[in-house]
Amino acid sequence: ELKVEQNPLFLSMQEGKNYTIYCNYSTTSDRLYWYRQDPGKSLESLFVLLSNGAVKQEGRLMASLDTKARLSTLHITAAVHDLSATYFCAVGPNNNDMRFGAGTRLTVKP
Amino acid sequence: ETGVTQTPRHLVMGMTNKKSLKCEQHLGHNAMYWYKQSAKKPLELMFVYNFKEQTENNSVPSRFSPECPNSSHLFLHLHTLQPEDSALYLCASSQAGNGREQFFGPGTRLTVL
Repeated sequence: ELKVEQNPLFLSMQEGKNYTIYCNYSTTSDRLYWYRQDPGKSLESLFVLLSNGAVKQEGRLMASLDTKARLSTLHITAAVHDLSATYFCAVGPNNNDMRFGAGTRLTVKP
Repeated sequence: ETGVTQTPRHLVMGMTNKKSLKCEQHLGHNAMYWYKQSAKKPLELMFVYNFKEQTENNSVPSRFSPECPNSSHLFLHLHTLQPEDSALYLCASSQAGNGREQFFGPGTRLTVL
């Protein structure tokens, strides 16, 4: 059974600091997704990673995928308050079997 | 309307009620999904429709009944729910095929009394 584990589940960080969120998954997949969810809102797609070694960056966020290690990272650079949200990774060998991690609740403090 | 819309946004129902959730996508996609997001569990995929055909039912109780009359509309019919069914129900859509990015609606917050 495909399992997706994120850590940490809760992250409190100061503005300006860097940190990394990790997403491990249990079975082979070369497709990984990162989503953001603000309180009371829906999921917003951040990154789609479709191959080993894929790296994508948008602003202060950078995501990477290592399919051999079954690991994706979401790196936050110089955090700002606007990045406070819950971040989910999702793995889908196919769209009929998309599994989400539990989410990382990020709080960025001034 | 743009993107993926869901109605109602909030719903409170008793265990003996029958209600329906509606999802509509305006993105020209041909695959649609229902997810359940509850406080203590990861997001759970419930149903998948590709080209109006159901292709996945992840052991969802029969008190949840999906309907997909066309590629743009998806319903989730609810009857005799339990309090533990209270959750945020999210609809998503994508192009059919593996690895396609899914776009989510705003969700319906369901409370079962």
